[in-house]
Amino acid sequence: GQQLNQSPQSMFIQEGEDVSMNCTSSSIFNTWLWYKQDPGEGPVLLIALYKAGELTSNGRLTAQFGITRKDSFLNISASIPSDVGIYFCAGQLWNSGNTPLVFGKGTRLSVIA
Amino acid sequence: DGGITQSPKYLFRKEGQNVTLSCEQNLNHDAMYWYRQDPGQGLRLIYYSQIVNDFQKGDIAEGYSVSREKKESFPLTVTSAQKNPTAFYLCASSTGRFQETQYFGPGTRLLVL
Repeated sequence: GQQLNQSPQSMFIQEGEDVSMNCTSSSIFNTWLWYKQDPGEGPVLLIALYKAGELTSNGRLTAQFGITRKDSFLNISASIPSDVGIYFCAGQLWNSGNTPLVFGKGTRLSVIA
Repeated sequence: DGGITQSPKYLFRKEGQNVTLSCEQNLNHDAMYWYRQDPGQGLRLIYYSQIVNDFQKGDIAEGYSVSREKKESFPLTVTSAQKNPTAFYLCASSTGRFQETQYFGPGTRLLVL
């Protein structure tokens, strides 16, 4: 099936640093979603984006829907230990009707106190 | 509280046995999904259902079966034909409409002994 290219695959950062991760595709999307998954739990929705160029914040998190509709990024500012987890991007293909979301393979974030 | 419940949290099965994983939602969502997640891996779609009494195969449907007799429920059966069933299974639901957002349950970890 369709795949999103999510990078980096993993990150090790110091507490207090900013983090940036992104997802790209050769296809056009009409929706971008960012999720966080804690160990042994289901993914939790962080931010949803529905318009090209849209920039949305949720606390220390900021995500943008790329202007070409083929990419999205997620930034985390001033990281803290509880930011540890796996971050997934997901998108719905343009003109796909109700087809399921396409997911990236995740970015594993580790925060060193 | 509205949400998605999966039970049990952990499930053990002997090799060669079928096992059914439960997923219930009270969000009044039309669409429901089953994903499989292996250690360090992303989410792979097993089956999805956009309406009661209808479902479609995802990317890795072999060895699995589902039913959707009620809007609230979407059980997944892992059959003995599934050669490597040990994994973390996630259920999700959404309204099923254009530019919709998908929400996940807490997951069930299946271990084959």
